[in-house]
Amino acid sequence: EAQVTQNPRYLITVTGKKLTVTCSQNMNHEYMSWYRQDPGLGLRQIYYSMNVEVTDKGDVPEGYKVSRKEKRNFPLILESPSPNQTSLYFCASSPGPHRANTEAFFGQGTRLTVV
Amino acid sequence: SQQGEEDPQALSIQEGENATMNCSYKTSINNLQWYRQNSGRGLVHLILIRSNEREKHSGRLRVTLDTSKKSSSLLITASRAADTASYFCATAMNYGGSQGNLIFGKGTKLSVKP
Repeated sequence: EAQVTQNPRYLITVTGKKLTVTCSQNMNHEYMSWYRQDPGLGLRQIYYSMNVEVTDKGDVPEGYKVSRKEKRNFPLILESPSPNQTSLYFCASSPGPHRANTEAFFGQGTRLTVV
Repeated sequence: SQQGEEDPQALSIQEGENATMNCSYKTSINNLQWYRQNSGRGLVHLILIRSNEREKHSGRLRVTLDTSKKSSSLLITASRAADTASYFCATAMNYGGSQGNLIFGKGTKLSVKP
């Protein structure tokens, strides 16, 4: 089944403790993104990747890192999480950039709480 | 940077009625997409309309696009309780360095009462 898989689905952590949220897609998509969703703010893009070893900042990249060493995986790293990073996070993939009329396939989300 | 803005923010209707949601955006686009999100879950793509298209249908969904007004509407006909969800428009711009990206609005929360 074609899917985007995020892990974990739920995570409670403490301020400053490094964490990684994994994202994997099985559709051989080139383009992958991370979003955060907050009440009243909608979805905002954190980072995106056009292909292996090609990543770039989205609208809200501060406090996050990503890597794209393999086509299928795009982990989101919080080196020193803070309470303002408490949010619902989504990974998405698509065959190519959206200007090429491609749709995004979303993972089920990771609800992160930083205390 | 927020591009799309949905209207209304919330909509409550009875089963069988039609639901109309609107989306306005600010800059020139390549395409506009609509997504659905069931409570706290991942978004699901519904329909994509290109900038040179004016109307598109998919099952009970009808999407229109007016590039002169920079607006789009999503119509769900004969709504069902299972249509209860949040609906988001997302735009892909056709200029600038972020041409690959989708920019989402804040969504319309639709509630369909049985």
